[in-house]
Amino acid sequence: GDSVTQMEGPVTLSEEAFLTINCTYTATGYPSLFWYVQYPGEGLQLLLKATKADDKGSNKGFEATYRKETTSFHLEKGSVQVSDSAVYFCALSLIQGAQKLVFGQGTRLTINP
Amino acid sequence: GAGVSQSPSNKVTEKGKDVELRCDPISGHTALYWYRQSLGQGLEFLIYFQGNSAPDKSGLPSDRFSAERTGGSVSTLTIQRTQQEDSAVYLCASSLVSGADTQYFGPGTRLTVL
Repeated sequence: GDSVTQMEGPVTLSEEAFLTINCTYTATGYPSLFWYVQYPGEGLQLLLKATKADDKGSNKGFEATYRKETTSFHLEKGSVQVSDSAVYFCALSLIQGAQKLVFGQGTRLTINP
Repeated sequence: GAGVSQSPSNKVTEKGKDVELRCDPISGHTALYWYRQSLGQGLEFLIYFQGNSAPDKSGLPSDRFSAERTGGSVSTLTIQRTQQEDSAVYLCASSLVSGADTQYFGPGTRLTVL
């Protein structure tokens, strides 16, 4: 079945460090890919998305590129801030068939000043 | 504009009681989704509505769970005879159209079954 695998957390970094959170997927069809973020005490928010191969999604300094050949959608940020501390979820959604988001297990990120 | 709203924000109930959770989607959004977030299972899909119809109920964990949507807007998730394993945060999301369109999430209802 369709699934998403994220790197294990928690991840702890210092402010201004480079961030990568790995995400790979398995899908029977051609998915759209998403990163959602959940800040402490808040609901899930869409961070960025990409709908076709080689598309790059970007928002708030975060980027992720849809790599069909490696079935990956890794999240990166060049210089993290304390305010980026949150739980990050990679997810996929199929255009055909099931109309649901399939989520990875989430990665908790803590940024220390 | 107003986002997705859910009520109650917190619900504590006793094992065996029935509970109803409510979701108000973004106005004009035709698709509505329910998910469950729990420590052991992560984020799981429960059910999807397109208008008032539910073409995908595959995530409902048992026949104690049901949901309906009326007027193409408000949805109610009902859990009958609650069990302790039902304790979780129940999330509702809506999207303008179905498919791979962006889903917007509500703040969730935290359900605790004692």
